[in-house]
Order: sequence, then C-alpha cells, then structure tokens
Amino acid sequence: DAGVIQSPRHEVTEMGQEVTLRCKPISGHNSLFWYRQTMMRGLELLIYFNNNVPIDDSGMPEDRFSAKMPNASFSTLKIQPSEPRDSAVYFCASSLFGYGYTFGSGTRLTVV
Amino acid sequence: AQKITQTQPGMFVQEKEAVTLDCTYDTSDPSYGLFWYKQPSSGEMIFLIYQGSYDQQNATEGRYSLNFQKARKSANLVISASQLGDSAMYFCAMREGPGGYNKLIFGAGTRLAVHP
Repeated sequence: DAGVIQSPRHEVTEMGQEVTLRCKPISGHNSLFWYRQTMMRGLELLIYFNNNVPIDDSGMPEDRFSAKMPNASFSTLKIQPSEPRDSAVYFCASSLFGYGYTFGSGTRLTVV
Repeated sequence: AQKITQTQPGMFVQEKEAVTLDCTYDTSDPSYGLFWYKQPSSGEMIFLIYQGSYDQQNATEGRYSLNFQKARKSANLVISASQLGDSAMYFCAMREGPGGYNKLIFGAGTRLAVHP
C-alpha cells in the first residue's frame, strides 16, 4: 500500500498565479479530506468528500479555493488567484468509514 | 466553539520517564471517536491511537495509552518510557458521529521535547 500520495511536495508561486494541488487516496477508502496547516490557525479542515461527493466545504476560505474529486482515486485543490496568505502546508487524508485517517506527506505552498 | 482543547502548548520530559498530554473535547453526540497523531519535525502526520466512545477499555498501542474519562470528556495521551524520538508535535482529534461520513477536527497541539 503506497499510502496517500500528494503532489507536488513543494510549490513556490507568484501572487496571482493559479496553483493546483493533487491527491491520490488509498485505494478502497471512501472519504477524502483536505486540510491546511499554518502556525496561526493550526490544522483546518477545508473540505471533505464521501464517495467522490463533496459533503462539507464550510472550511474553504473563499471563492478562490475550489476542490474536485472526479473519481475515487484522484482529487485536486485549486487556488486561483493565489495570495501570500495562502502560504501553508496542505494535507490530503483519506479514510475508510471514519475508523482510520491516513495523511499524505503534505504540499508546502509558498506564494511570493 | 472549540471542540478539542489541548491546554499545554509545550511540554518537556526526561528520557525514559512517562508523560501525559492533555486533551478535552466537547460534543453532544453519543457516538464519537478520539484520535492522537504525532507530527515530527519532518512534517508527516502519524496516527498513534484511537478510542471509540463506546469502548469499555482504554486504548493501548505499545508505549502509548489513552486515558479516556468519558464523564470528564477527556482523552489524555500517556507515553511511557519516553525516547528522544518522541520529540514532536502531538495532536488530539475527534470524529463526531459513528464511523462513516464524518470529519476529523483537531486541537491546537502540544509540542513535546524529550531531554536526555
């Protein structure tokens, strides 16, 4: 089992550019979560999916953020346009019926 | 409202001693799950231990045990025989509702330093 795979590991972009983060969950897991971690706000849940359907996106900070899960093995988190305050570590996690949550290695995003 | 509270921003312990990291939670749901994760300086989130709200016994995993006091709504992590490699951030988290379609929310974390 390769675990939850996130790409890229690091991303540096200029303010105003579009950024796309990618996640491949563990095969067979039915839920996928996107978290953001900053020193100021800790670990925040942005959005989660069950069976590829978005269930709760109340944590998405604003319209610049969007997430999709076109199939059970792939999800994206997009920021357009990016701003310096979006700099953070973004984690993807997957779960099977909420009894085990496995995290990816994270994407460290820096917006300059 | 804060649902997971970790009141200790930082803790230190001598190597080989035990340490308790505090966690209190708030929920009105009778079915919930409590988790602890470790985040070393490398940044990955490592699952340590799980306690279900209906579990009769405290969970244990090797040197980790969860001191579950349901009436007090506390789920403290106990690390026995601390090792230098235990130095990390530790997060308490809660899933409300039965397993299935529920999100995991985190506390602010406790930074543990193990001294030789």
